[in-house]
Amino acid sequence: QSALTQPASVSGSPGQSITISCTGGSNDVGSYNHVSWYQQYPGKAPKLVISEVTERPSGVSNRFSGSKSGSTASLTISGLHPEDEADYYCSSYAGTFTWVFGGGTKLTVL
Amino acid sequence: EVQLEGSGGGLVQPGGSLRLSCAASGFTFSDDPMNWVRQAPGKGLEWISNIRADSTAYYADSVKGRFTTSRDNGKDLLFLQLNSLRDEDTAVYFCARDVHFSFDSWGQGSLVTVSS
Repeated sequence: QSALTQPASVSGSPGQSITISCTGGSNDVGSYNHVSWYQQYPGKAPKLVISEVTERPSGVSNRFSGSKSGSTASLTISGLHPEDEADYYCSSYAGTFTWVFGGGTKLTVL
Repeated sequence: EVQLEGSGGGLVQPGGSLRLSCAASGFTFSDDPMNWVRQAPGKGLEWISNIRADSTAYYADSVKGRFTTSRDNGKDLLFLQLNSLRDEDTAVYFCARDVHFSFDSWGQGSLVTVSS
């Protein structure tokens, strides 16, 4: 149950696009298309923004998109808005009803 | 509207016990698996437990044998019993609904502080 690897921080200017990577292994990201992404503001509960690698829940902006290649999943946010500044976490199903999260990425909108 | 309301957090001494609750509303609680996820101060999210609709529970290695998850489907309640608490268990504990392997709704979190 090792944590998935995410960059500690990324940054971008309003209107730009950024991508956050999430690297796992053959026991999690590499074996299942059950990768999710969560947005979290300080002091708040996380919010689901991407499920099943690419699915966007109702109400989530279409500026958020997900993808996966091998054992690495990615979250892309296009047309950055100031309110996108938050922490982002990936998560993957790891078999037998267990999950693993990434260490989190702090997004700064310059 | 799905709502999850956590309660039961507090200050406990190392080696002590605590029980957290999560009250669910707005969906058919008995149909859905549920999870507990924690976040230590200034740290990332850590999945710690999943409980299926039939009450079979699964745990992260870090809490296995010390924490127990249960549910009361008649009262729409989820529980986390925390025993043999350690300093490193200090965290905000979130309950979250599991829908198709993702956590689509979260409670507001309950702070557990383990300290002498």
